[in-house]
Amino acid sequence: AQSVTQPDIHITVSEGASLELRCNYSYGATPYLFWYVQSPGQGLQLLLKYFSGDTLVQGIKGFEAEFKRSQSSFNLRKPSVHWSDAAEYFCAVAGYSSASKIIFGSGTRLSIRP
Amino acid sequence: SQTIHQWPATLVQPVGSPLSLECTVEGTSNPNLYWYRQAAGRGLQLLFYSVGIGQISSEVPQNLSASRPQDRQFILSSKKLLLSDSGFYLCAWSGSRGVGDEAFFGQGTRLTVV
Repeated sequence: AQSVTQPDIHITVSEGASLELRCNYSYGATPYLFWYVQSPGQGLQLLLKYFSGDTLVQGIKGFEAEFKRSQSSFNLRKPSVHWSDAAEYFCAVAGYSSASKIIFGSGTRLSIRP
Repeated sequence: SQTIHQWPATLVQPVGSPLSLECTVEGTSNPNLYWYRQAAGRGLQLLFYSVGIGQISSEVPQNLSASRPQDRQFILSSKKLLLSDSGFYLCAWSGSRGVGDEAFFGQGTRLTVV
């Protein structure tokens, strides 16, 4: 069965510092992988996705993520965070079948220190 | 363009009362539809998943049910709410082509059972 683990529940970084949010997945084949962001009380917005090709994926708002098959990881990075990046971040996995469901991790809450 | 509507935005219901949350999608056909629940500190839990009219997969045993009476309509229901049903409910849709279609989310319903 597919699953996603986000080991960090809450991370605090200083504004301007670099960021890396961890995501590990479990799936029997190469999965589709996603990162979403959620502002308080809102729905989720897609930051980026990976399904083939270049393992380094660029997304919106200056985020990028790298797919590492050997480590079953899809970590999200940003070189310099802004106060507006404070939010909840979710990693998700889906299979290649048209009927595959999308499973989310438990999320990482990001706080920004002024 | 595609849009997803979810209502109501907030709901306060007494224990033992019924529940009906509705979600509709516009601008696409034969979408995969999802109901997720987000409880504090527990991430995004997949409740129900549908690949077509009348086809519902239940992911966790619970006090809730889902129905898909039309292609782009997904309804979450309960006959008698429990206190533990409180949470933030999110409806989502994705394409059914199996080529990396991400999930698009509604704005969510904050349900408080009192």
